[in-house]
Amino acid sequence: ETGVTQTPRHLVMGMTNKKSLKCEQHLGHNAMYWYKQSAKKPLELMFVYSLEERVENNSVPSRFSPECPNSSHLFLHLHTLQPEDSALYLCASSRTGGANYGYTFGSGTRLTVV
Amino acid sequence: QQQVKQSPQSLIVQKGGISIINCAYENTAFDYFPWYQQFPGKGPALLIAIRPDVSEKKEGRFTISFNKSAKQFSLHIMDSQPGDSATYFCAASNAGNMLTFGGGTRLMVKP
Repeated sequence: ETGVTQTPRHLVMGMTNKKSLKCEQHLGHNAMYWYKQSAKKPLELMFVYSLEERVENNSVPSRFSPECPNSSHLFLHLHTLQPEDSALYLCASSRTGGANYGYTFGSGTRLTVV
Repeated sequence: QQQVKQSPQSLIVQKGGISIINCAYENTAFDYFPWYQQFPGKGPALLIAIRPDVSEKKEGRFTISFNKSAKQFSLHIMDSQPGDSATYFCAASNAGNMLTFGGGTRLMVKP
């Protein structure tokens, strides 16, 4: 257990489904991140929230919609996905400002789009 | 400016050997250089990190060597073990900003 919890661990969804990924941290961090990890792109930054405001949206298709209701929780809402969206989705958190202490990652959600 | 280039993409080492992974960066404002280790089915975990005021940091069998003038840093795994088989990512950032990750190195240590 790393301090960042992601649910579900595995998800299989059809292209017409709507699902959500959840990330939770209780490390006192004030920034949270979504990464996509696939064989083609090992760590692809999707979204960044700092102090609950989205500060980065890395040209991600609109079928991915993030939500950060508070500094401890981050969601990734999925709808009408494509098979190429199948990947490991990683959440991470960190402190922002001042010296860096790196990111703490969750174990990820393995998403399969059928 | 923000790129971190990592090599090799994959590495096979015999048990007991030394594994060496290299990273190069362009942004001279970077002041924090961590390495992450990722096992299959898990997220990356912080392994060891260095700041540019030192040239080397050692934790057990893992050592970071840092060359500020060359803008390069490397991870050395001494006495490599099969349990070290994983994907390793280097990264860099400057204070308070996001990490920039390298492309990853898949290490296999053969028994």
